[in-house]
Amino acid sequence: GAGVSQTPSNKVTEKGKYVELRCDPISGHTALYWYRQSLGQGPEFLIYFQGTGAADDSGLPNDRFFAVRPEGSVSTLKIQRTERGDSAVYLCASSLLGTSGRKTQYFGPGTRLLVL
Amino acid sequence: AQSVTQPDIHITVSEGASLELRCNYSYGATPYLFWYVQSPGQGLQLLLKYFSGDTLVQGIKGFEAEFKRSQSSFNLRKPSVHWSDAAEYFCAVGAQGSQGNLIFGKGTNLSVKP
Repeated sequence: GAGVSQTPSNKVTEKGKYVELRCDPISGHTALYWYRQSLGQGPEFLIYFQGTGAADDSGLPNDRFFAVRPEGSVSTLKIQRTERGDSAVYLCASSLLGTSGRKTQYFGPGTRLLVL
Repeated sequence: AQSVTQPDIHITVSEGASLELRCNYSYGATPYLFWYVQSPGQGLQLLLKYFSGDTLVQGIKGFEAEFKRSQSSFNLRKPSVHWSDAAEYFCAVGAQGSQGNLIFGKGTNLSVKP
């Protein structure tokens, strides 16, 4: 079946602009995660959705970052007033509902964001 | 705080040779442990996972890992490496007291020489 998809695959923007990154999870997966992977680093957690609500947004670096999942499926990560330091690969993952920590997360290919 | 350490930034092995990638974790309880592989331009693919039970777990592509509580380690092994195994490998632990977000190490880049 179809895996996690993310669009666009690449995004180039200018400093100060607004961007939206989209994630389409595996059908039936109620949990959705966003991670950010900077060059040479492992992915870092940003936000977790259970259904439509953000259950844990402790990883969002500041209030320029926001994410929604209005119908409990597709999610959009929104970044306002982008900065060069936001350049990274943004990964989305989804999983079935399960005991905390035991859920296997399936990752999308990521969106590579470059802020000039 | 929970953390994952992958001591080796880069490893080169010859095709057909054995492989061991190291992973150490810091965690207060029984950890949930994962190994993912990432090829250039690709997302993360799960190789294997440990939740409980047998400490030697088998994964896809001929990989295995052993959980050693006394050493806080979860090293990844493969008896004979193939050129297609060249990639970035990430060890991760399921975060305690959370909804299951993963904490990743910085990764080990594996090169395979003919």
